[in-house]
Amino acid sequence: DIQMTQSPSFVSASVGDRVTITCRASQGISWLAWYQQKPGEAPKLLIYGASSLQSGVPSRFSGSGSGTHFTLTISSLQPEDFAIYYCQQANSFPSLTFGGGTKVEIK
Amino acid sequence: QVTLKESGPVLVKPTETLTLTCSVSGFSLSDPRMGVSWIRQPPGKALEWLAHIFSKDKKSYSTSLKSRLTISKDTSKSQVVLMMTNMDPVDTGTYYCARILWTSVGWHFDLWGRGTLVAVSS
Repeated sequence: DIQMTQSPSFVSASVGDRVTITCRASQGISWLAWYQQKPGEAPKLLIYGASSLQSGVPSRFSGSGSGTHFTLTISSLQPEDFAIYYCQQANSFPSLTFGGGTKVEIK
Repeated sequence: QVTLKESGPVLVKPTETLTLTCSVSGFSLSDPRMGVSWIRQPPGKALEWLAHIFSKDKKSYSTSLKSRLTISKDTSKSQVVLMMTNMDPVDTGTYYCARILWTSVGWHFDLWGRGTLVAVSS
């Protein structure tokens, strides 16, 4: 299976900050998605295809990258963005794997 | 409106078989562009994909759990069922069903159920 490693595992940031989360794949991939999970809720799709914004997701979220290195950027952190973020690869379909998660907390 | 909803027991005993049902609405289990997956999350831990099922009854399982899992669907009832045998306390967690969608830029889970918490204890 392709392993996905997220960094950092924890981010402390303030409202208005620019936040970048990294996801590295153990081998080159083409397809990557990002999800946001708030406490007690199901994950929510933010980005698919590495950089395509899911309908209804605010434009302050963006994704980029290729090969083994991908990033999720929140351009100006809002109070409702404090959550855990997961990346997910689909290159080894049907086996899909998630990263370990990055928790974004209020500084 | 597209929704998925999980149902099943809150508590199972070790060695028992867990049976979970995902009831879907707003889309058809016969649509070739999509399928339904099960994903679990132990308390405080990351997400783990378990199984998929697609329109022509094609099924796929996590390599590490394949021997314990069975996924099936009843298209007429709009339900997907997951069975996991020989449950252990380490299987405790929230179990989600999600719609998996194919686009030109790959597979992803575009809609999720709210999840159902399953505890394994004697």
